[in-house]
Amino acid sequence: EPEVTQTPSHQVTQMGQEVILRCVPISNHLYFYWYRQILGQKVEFLVSFYNNEISEKSEIFDDQFSVERPDGSNFTLKIRSTKLEDSAMYFCASSEGTVNQPQHFGDGTRLSIL
Amino acid sequence: GNSVTQMEGPVTLSEEAFLTINCTYTATGYPSLFWYVQYPGEGLQLLLKATKADDKGSNKGFEATYRKETTSFHLEKGSVQVSDSAVYFCALKRTSGSRLTFGEGTQLTVNP
Repeated sequence: EPEVTQTPSHQVTQMGQEVILRCVPISNHLYFYWYRQILGQKVEFLVSFYNNEISEKSEIFDDQFSVERPDGSNFTLKIRSTKLEDSAMYFCASSEGTVNQPQHFGDGTRLSIL
Repeated sequence: GNSVTQMEGPVTLSEEAFLTINCTYTATGYPSLFWYVQYPGEGLQLLLKATKADDKGSNKGFEATYRKETTSFHLEKGSVQVSDSAVYFCALKRTSGSRLTFGEGTQLTVNP
């Protein structure tokens, strides 16, 4: 069964540095998403992306964050000037559509900011 | 705004016990409702879904019924197994928009 893959599985970065989290969505999916889960808290929506542009974003997704689909297969989340509170598990997801089609999640990237 | 509330965990059961994990929601309109499961070290996997009132989602022995009158989507299984040990997340999606709104997650441990 096709799956969403995320790399790396664990990223350790110094505070203030930029980090790029990578995702390869399922090949025939058109909608892409990022979520995060701070330890002990809920899974929170960050952003959705369709047709090479952001279709929806949460209040968490401020100017520090950006997303990109640099080629036909990858979908990236960039965090500029990381802060301690960015430490979390980041999940990528993809779906064929947004009405009743489910979102399929990757295994996540654990980001640790030191 | 939209929100999802799950019963507090963790939940510990013996093998073959009956499972209920409560989930209630607040939303305008008629959201779609989901249960996701996260096994240790893995991502979120869709377990089941329901898209309109009175729909019953089912998969792998798990069931949940979309109850509009009580704004609930409780997860049930008649006989749990050790392999069901995982974190279970209830989630909703509005008819407009694409974001999933998750509950807190409920850790289930099933002992042999």
